[in-house]
Amino acid sequence: SQQGEEDPQALSIQEGENATMNCSYKTSINNLQWYRQNSGRGLVHLILIRSNEREKHSGRLRVTLDTSKKSSSLLITASRAADTASYFCATGMDSSYKLIFGSGTRLLVRP
Amino acid sequence: SQTIHQWPATLVQPVGSPLSLECTVEGTSNPNLYWYRQAAGRGLQLLFYSVGIGQISSEVPQNLSASRPQDRQFILSSKKLLLSDSGFYLCAWNGNEDQPQHFGDGTRLSIL
Repeated sequence: SQQGEEDPQALSIQEGENATMNCSYKTSINNLQWYRQNSGRGLVHLILIRSNEREKHSGRLRVTLDTSKKSSSLLITASRAADTASYFCATGMDSSYKLIFGSGTRLLVRP
Repeated sequence: SQTIHQWPATLVQPVGSPLSLECTVEGTSNPNLYWYRQAAGRGLQLLFYSVGIGQISSEVPQNLSASRPQDRQFILSSKKLLLSDSGFYLCAWNGNEDQPQHFGDGTRLSIL
């Protein structure tokens, strides 16, 4: 079953605009991770945020986590055409090797 | 630095044929290893994971099996492929269960 669900399923923006993707989950987590996947390729890890953290930054990426609402958001600022990809959230639980992935947001950045 | 290799990149197999996909990791020891399947336009479904040589945990009942004959080698197999086995198969590793996973480039498997 899906733990994380991304919203929106697809997003199309102009280069230079910000892109925001949301992830909701159902059960308690140890951490939440965001990954990026270019078409036909493997996933690349972007950011890991732990359950006791509220916000993390990495370059143009900002991730927030609200454990009371069981939700997270990924913000990409000043988007570039090269940011075009699918973005997935994945949740990790305590004492578990499993990551449960959502179905992803397909981001298109138009030049 | 650590790298993960997965092959082949693309595979077309007839129904009923056997399967062997291989994944190897370099530059680390005793990694956790994972096999995922991704249906078109969907997220990843965990198939198997391994925390050590010969230790395999299966997440979903299926036509596939996994083996870990060496510390940094993870193999996904089937004796007889089904049409429903088509998909994009990804191998991943991490050093600890609460660390990010690092993925190979995947194998696109088509069953005819």
